Amino acid sequence: QPVLTQPPSVSGAPGQRVTISCTGSSSNIGAGYEVHWYQQFPGKAPKLLIYGNNNRPSGVPDRFSGSKSGTSASLAITGLQAEDEADYYCQSYDSSLTASVFGGGTKLSVL
Amino acid sequence: QLQLQESGPGLVKPSETLSLTCTVSGGSISDTYSYWGWIRQPPGKGLEWIGIIYYNGITYYNSSLQSRLTISVDTSKTEFSLRLSSVTAADTAVYYCARRPTTWDRYDPWGQGTLVAVSS
Repeated sequence: QPVLTQPPSVSGAPGQRVTISCTGSSSNIGAGYEVHWYQQFPGKAPKLLIYGNNNRPSGVPDRFSGSKSGTSASLAITGLQAEDEADYYCQSYDSSLTASVFGGGTKLSVL
Repeated sequence: QLQLQESGPGLVKPSETLSLTCTVSGGSISDTYSYWGWIRQPPGKGLEWIGIIYYNGITYYNSSLQSRLTISVDTSKTEFSLRLSSVTAADTAVYYCARRPTTWDRYDPWGQGTLVAVSS
């Protein structure tokens, strides 16, 4: 079972706003470790989408944003586009496991 | 621009050892600001962290794989490697290599990944 919990799927219509949650515990997100988000298209490698809770690498549209509070984090996508249809993974560090940990992934469908 | 590329056999027999190499280009594997890591993804499933290595050979492993796992680095060849022994069908996955900054626990960039199937 993944250490970080994500909903298996979310969906939205073009132009809408969707959020993907990532729930951890006191040994990872709640301990203050940063949350990062990755976008993965079928058959492709994951790509860093958000780092350090709410920072976008160069080239990532500002429609993507991240936030963190307590033991949870969220990825928000506004102005949903068909090209956003992909799998999204959150990632943090766990001090009890002394390991990087991932969420189980969320499949975003654009209706 | 830093790039990583995995290579190795696509098929391994049960109980044998899985061996993969990641070649780093566009940057130095001896970079003191980088760890070099392995992450895998079973077909249709999520991502699992395997472990990381520093240029001087210091390693950190996933405790669930530690007894079977060896990650090594060859700075002269700008590559690092993964060896996983006594494999079973549960080790079938796409294996990715990636860079992790020493200061921050995030992975970027990633290699394209290589599928390794464990089957007789």
